[in-house]
Amino acid sequence: ETGVTQTPRHLVMGMTNKKSLKCEQHLGHNAMYWYKQSAKKPLELMFVYNFKEQTENNSVPSRFSPECPNSSHLFLHLHTLQPEDSALYLCASSQVGGAMNTEAFFGQGTRLTVV
Amino acid sequence: AQTVTQSQPEMSVQEAETVTLSCTYDTSESDYYLFWYKQPPSRQMILVIRQEAYKQQNATENRFSVNFQKAAKSFSLKISDSQLGDAAMYFCAYRRARKGGSEKLVFGKGMKLTVNP
Repeated sequence: ETGVTQTPRHLVMGMTNKKSLKCEQHLGHNAMYWYKQSAKKPLELMFVYNFKEQTENNSVPSRFSPECPNSSHLFLHLHTLQPEDSALYLCASSQVGGAMNTEAFFGQGTRLTVV
Repeated sequence: AQTVTQSQPEMSVQEAETVTLSCTYDTSESDYYLFWYKQPPSRQMILVIRQEAYKQQNATENRFSVNFQKAAKSFSLKISDSQLGDAAMYFCAYRRARKGGSEKLVFGKGMKLTVNP
């Protein structure tokens, strides 16, 4: 198994749909992240979970709702999205605490298209 | 706020030659980390190399090396003996060195590298 696994790889949804993105990490890390990657823009951090507690919400609209039931799993629940939310959504994990944080390890992303 | 700038959106290099990707950043912190990530068509972000700001020695990783100029806030990546598999988007990233807590990465816009056979 790869270190960070995201499902689905591709998702097309209508603006009235509800869907969820899933991320699972097999690295024993205790922090997980959602990033949004849009065309021609830098990656934008959306949410950070540290020891299952949300530590950062980067002014993300409420139509994106994260959930972190344990340190290995992270979800992003989507509802009533807009076409401009179409992007690649990347999950990452890292180990924090102690003398040094590790670098972030990324999944392969979910390509989301909102129609 | 910290910012990362990659001014070249695209570059190309001949196979087996050397190419240098540029990155500048802005921060008021004295202790931080800098990274180069590679994103091939598979879309997975892969760490290429990492540099701690407190280290004067430039990081190297096989064919990949950096030129870290702290005073100039410059962090370029040199790829030697370029291979076809090096073709990808390359992202420069910054992170504060805050011990004990998660810390977000600040990314540049990326640069597309093409390797010509």
